[in-house]
Amino acid sequence: NAGVTQTPKFQVLKTGQSMTLQCAQDMNHNSMYWYRQDPGMGLRLIYYSASEGTTDKGEVPNGYNVSRLNKREFSLRLESAAPSQTSVYFCASSEARGVGEQFFGPGTRLTVL
Amino acid sequence: SQQGEEDPQALSIQEGENATMNCSYKTSINNLQWYRQNSGRGLVHLILIRSNEREKHSGRLRVTLDTSKKSSSLLITASRAADTASYFCATDAISNTGKLIFGQGTTLQVKP
Repeated sequence: NAGVTQTPKFQVLKTGQSMTLQCAQDMNHNSMYWYRQDPGMGLRLIYYSASEGTTDKGEVPNGYNVSRLNKREFSLRLESAAPSQTSVYFCASSEARGVGEQFFGPGTRLTVL
Repeated sequence: SQQGEEDPQALSIQEGENATMNCSYKTSINNLQWYRQNSGRGLVHLILIRSNEREKHSGRLRVTLDTSKKSSSLLITASRAADTASYFCATDAISNTGKLIFGQGTTLQVKP
């Protein structure tokens, strides 16, 4: 099992460009999450999907959109990237919302110039 | 806003010593979790302690939870150089079930 995979690993964008970060899990988990991590800080929740077909805002949703494409895949879209979105983005999954541990992907390092 | 506050922010010890990290939080929780992050990598789950538990062990890890003080501690015994990493507590608040709130982390350096 690959666990949680993310693509791409690195990305450089110019201000105003758009991009989609992809995430997939092969553990048959119901819930998936997107976090961002800024230097010296813990993770902050951007959006989550408690189950297929549902999405909800987290702590810092502004400037982002998400799609729960199916049970395996959860994508994060930046419509018009800003330098403040320079960060490392992590996708995670869990069996269900509020149940046990979350499993994390390796992260996407995004720089917006 | 961050639910968990960790202390110390950085810790440097010699191999073989014990390392203790503390986490304080603000609201009532379902559970508290500890994660490890090696440099440039994703987070790895270490241990989960439920609100009705006071202590939990996993190998060289010991976690305590004091809900009256809204605090938790992670003890790593007989540390190894491979334990060098950042450690984060994360709380699953009753008011916000399933949405983990992470602390800022403790960076642990274990010198060989």
